[in-house]
Amino acid sequence: SQQGEEDPQALSIQEGENATMNCSYKTSINNLQWYRQNSGRGLVHLILIRSNEREKHSGRLRVTLDTSKKSSSLLITASRAADTASYFCATVLNSGNTGKLIFGQGTTLQVKP
Amino acid sequence: GAGVSQSPSNKVTEKGKDVELRCDPISGHTALYWYRQSLGQGLEFLIYFQGNSAPDKSGLPSDRFSAERTGGSVSTLTIQRTQQEDSAVYLCASSLGGGAKNIQYFGAGTRLSVL
Repeated sequence: SQQGEEDPQALSIQEGENATMNCSYKTSINNLQWYRQNSGRGLVHLILIRSNEREKHSGRLRVTLDTSKKSSSLLITASRAADTASYFCATVLNSGNTGKLIFGQGTTLQVKP
Repeated sequence: GAGVSQSPSNKVTEKGKDVELRCDPISGHTALYWYRQSLGQGLEFLIYFQGNSAPDKSGLPSDRFSAERTGGSVSTLTIQRTQQEDSAVYLCASSLGGGAKNIQYFGAGTRLSVL
């Protein structure tokens, strides 16, 4: 029942490098969001991009959205060890008005000091 | 409270027993969501409340699962006759209102283990 997929499933980089994660989805969306999860527990909202937006920035985060390809990417620049976590994209569909999130499979990011 | 609070944080139960999981949303948030995260299925939507009503229950996996919300605040997710496949982390989230544009704030979750 997942809306889409993320790749890579796992990513390991050195501190200071950039990390890029990709997300694909299947149906028309209202918006796409990225969340971070530490230690398999609560999710923290990072950024929301609407379907009529193509790029959005927040601090060291850059998100792009290509609705023609039904894909999004999350770029974390100048990564830090504290960025080690799992990252999930989630879509909110156009149909219905509940705002429920449909999650991708997630990317596990390890940033080595 | 400052954030979404869930209890218990961990629950171990025997197959066939009933369990209740509790969620205290952020004060003033009218929308409340339950999700489940398991190794096999990833993160899945279960149910959405707007106030005390549940207009979307489409994610509840079986009739053993039910949820209620009272006073537009606390919600309880009940799983009857638990099965091993119910083992997962159950996450609750709340937002100011339902709908696409409202950010959801998540609790730390309840890790349920069914032996």
